[in-house]
This record gives sequence, C-alpha cells and structure tokens, in this order.
Amino acid sequence: AQKVTQAQTEISVVEKEDVTLDCVYETRDTTYYLFWYKQPPSGELVFLIRRNSFDEQNEISGRYSWNFQKSTSSFNFTITASQVVDSAVYFCALSDAAGGTSYGKLTFGQGTILTVHP
Amino acid sequence: DADVTQTPRNRITKTGKRIMLECSQTKGHDRMYWYRQDPGLGLQLIYYSFDVKDINKGEISDGYSVSRQAQAKFSLSLESAIPNQTALYFCATSRDNTDTQYFGPGTRLTVL
Repeated sequence: AQKVTQAQTEISVVEKEDVTLDCVYETRDTTYYLFWYKQPPSGELVFLIRRNSFDEQNEISGRYSWNFQKSTSSFNFTITASQVVDSAVYFCALSDAAGGTSYGKLTFGQGTILTVHP
Repeated sequence: DADVTQTPRNRITKTGKRIMLECSQTKGHDRMYWYRQDPGLGLQLIYYSFDVKDINKGEISDGYSVSRQAQAKFSLSLESAIPNQTALYFCATSRDNTDTQYFGPGTRLTVL
C-alpha cells in the first residue's frame, strides 16, 4: 500500500528564515509521481510541483526548491527567505501511475502547517 | 476565469436534507474526482470518473452519490446529510492517470 508521511505537523519560523518541509513516501511501484500542494488560509489547493520517479534532478523555482532522493524515499521542499505569504498548509502526495485501469490514485500526507511570523 | 469551479462555496444544511455540490471544468480533462478534507486527516477520495460513462467508488463513498452529466460537469450528492459529513469538499480534474490533478476552490459544508 502507498503511504506518505509528513512528520512535521507544524512549523513556525520568522520571516527571511529558510525552512524545509519533509516528505517520506512508501510505494511498491517502480513508476510513480510525487507532488506538493499548498493550501493557504483561503482554503484552495494550489499545485506547486510534480516529479516522476525517474527524474531525480532537484528543482528550483524562485524561492522554492525540491530535493528528491529515491535512496531515502524522500521528496523534501525548501522555502528560502520565507515570507508571511508562505504561511499555509503544505501537502505532499504520491500518485499510483500504473497503466491499465489505474486511476492515478493520489495518496496525501497529513500536511504541515507552516506559519511565518513578521 | 478559474479552470475548475465549484458551487456553492459555502453551505449550511440540516440533518436529513438532500444536498448537491456541483463542479465544472474548462480544462477539457476526462477524469474528475471528488475528495473530502477533514482537519488533520488530509484528503480522502469519495468518487472518481474516467469519463461520462465510467464512475467508480473511492475510499469513502458510503452516504454519497455522483452524477457525470457531461465531460465538464461532475456533481456530488448527499441524499440524507448527517453531521459527520461536515467537511471541506474538493473537486479535481486530470488528463489521465499520470497527470497532475487540479483542484477547485472547495465547498465548505456544515450539517447541523
């Protein structure tokens, strides 16, 4: 069975600090996809990144960066120079991407609540 | 305009009432999904649809039903609402099983 663990329930930082959100996953599939979503206080779910299991290159997008390591089954998310607007719940998710009738089941972690103080 | 829309955005209803939540998308995706979010529990899949004629139960379908009226529309019904169905409900769409799922803005439902 697939599982996603976000061990950090809540993180609190002061603006301009760097912060890393941890995500560890379990799957028996050799082909899978990993995602991060952001849920700001307004409640919507905003897609941030998608990574497939064959691409272990790290990704940087502005202040955001992602570190994917298959050896440790981790897909961690770092925010550099955090800002108050980064305050949100962040979800890591794993997709079952098997072929045939698979529906691409998304398994979500429990989420990490990030609070950035001014 | 948003690619995935949900109506209503907020709804308060009473136990035993029938309620319908609607989802529309302009992304042209075949696959649509309904999730519920409870505090501390992440998101759980209620139903999913590959196309208009293919609808499947998810993890927590009891007490819910769905209708796929068209490629762009997927409705979730609570035939007889109960208080533990109070939650935030999300609709999502994707192109296929390897694609990203894009979420609507959510419907906050309260059952008194």
